[in-house]
Amino acid sequence: KQEVTQIPAALSVPEGENLVLNCSFTDSAIYNLQWFRQDPGKGLTSLLLIQSSQREQTSGRLNASLDKSSGRSTLYIAASQPGDSATYLCAVRRSGTASKLTFGTGTRLQVTL
Amino acid sequence: DAGVIQSPRHEVTEMGQEVTLRCKPISGHDYLFWYRQTMMRGLELLIYFNNNVPIDDSGMPEDRFSAKMPNASFSTLKIQPSEPRDSAVYFCASSLPRGSRGGDEQFFGPGTRLTVL
Repeated sequence: KQEVTQIPAALSVPEGENLVLNCSFTDSAIYNLQWFRQDPGKGLTSLLLIQSSQREQTSGRLNASLDKSSGRSTLYIAASQPGDSATYLCAVRRSGTASKLTFGTGTRLQVTL
Repeated sequence: DAGVIQSPRHEVTEMGQEVTLRCKPISGHDYLFWYRQTMMRGLELLIYFNNNVPIDDSGMPEDRFSAKMPNASFSTLKIQPSEPRDSAVYFCASSLPRGSRGGDEQFFGPGTRLTVL
């Protein structure tokens, strides 16, 4: 059974810092990995999708990397802003399971002024 | 497009009552997913549909839960009878056909916060 872990569970950084969020998964036979953002009381917003054949994806100040063999992904946020404060979730789709996603427990990020 | 639409946004009911949650996926998306989010268990997939057909309902907790998708633009998740432990946020998500550009990316609705007293 696929298990997805995110460390740390919570993180507080001052504005302007670069930061890294970690995601690890136990079954490396994945089809792709998706990073989401969730604001309090809101739904999930897709940030980046990395296919298993890719090593990284970039969108603006966000960069996600994938090391399938070691079962790890990182989300790098450059020059953090208070508006980046949210919970970040990673989710993996295992090969051969169509579109079923397994989610991590999330990292709650607070960027302070 | 308005995105995935869910109703109601909040639902408070008493134990034993029937609850129906509704979802309208993004037009053109042929996959629809129902998730439940709690503090204890995080986000869990309950069931998903492809072309209105249920594909995997292994996440449905028990027979009190049922889901239908009568057409491509509407789905319901029903709990009958409801219990306090069903209190959670229920999300609906949709995605494009697999193999299409962006086909694996899931788009979530705002969720329905259910409280069962």
